[in-house]
Amino acid sequence: QKEVEQDPGPLSVPEGAIVSLNCTYSNSAFQYFMWYRQYSRKGPELLMYTYSSGNKEDGRFTAQVDKSSKYISLFIRDSQPSDSATYLCAMSGQYNFNKFYFGSGTKLNVKP
Amino acid sequence: IAGITQAPTSQILAAGRRMTLRCTQDMRHNAMYWYRQDLGLGLRLIHYSNTAGTTGKGEVPDGYSVSRANTDDFPLTLASAVPSQTSVYFCASSVSAEANQPQHFGDGTRLSIL
Repeated sequence: QKEVEQDPGPLSVPEGAIVSLNCTYSNSAFQYFMWYRQYSRKGPELLMYTYSSGNKEDGRFTAQVDKSSKYISLFIRDSQPSDSATYLCAMSGQYNFNKFYFGSGTKLNVKP
Repeated sequence: IAGITQAPTSQILAAGRRMTLRCTQDMRHNAMYWYRQDLGLGLRLIHYSNTAGTTGKGEVPDGYSVSRANTDDFPLTLASAVPSQTSVYFCASSVSAEANQPQHFGDGTRLSIL
């Protein structure tokens, strides 16, 4: 079983829709959770960073962590065609120096 | 604009040849990383460096070597390329190697080994 599971998609939605992207994980020691956005032929770009459980909002993006369920989510409100990209979740634990665990990414397509 | 620069952006290489992928960062980050990204397998750590002068092996180190002579540069060398090393290679850096420091990525090198 992988440490981090992420549905590869693709996920196709109309412009303006609310998008929900999710990852599950197995290691209860994970404390730091990140979402990266990766455009085609580009490197992953840090989008959201959260510590432990709870919500964090940044503009149209909300990151949610539920440590009891080992489940993290990224919500995108009023989705735009420019949001079309692959979204990767990543996480690490307090004692995991050098080691980030990445999901394999969900490809999102927002249709105009 | 501060960030990570990788070169070349793409390369086609004959099997058996030696190749060095270059990575330079101007953020004065202590920790640097090399990943390969393959379809269905996600990002896999090849080698890392916590600080200048030190390196360590990641998840898939075989066939690759790295050096960290200074803070800014972290080259990755394929001593004798094989077709299974065809991949997209990403260099990343973080303020430190601690788990609470997010990693920042370059735009990658697309490498094809024939």
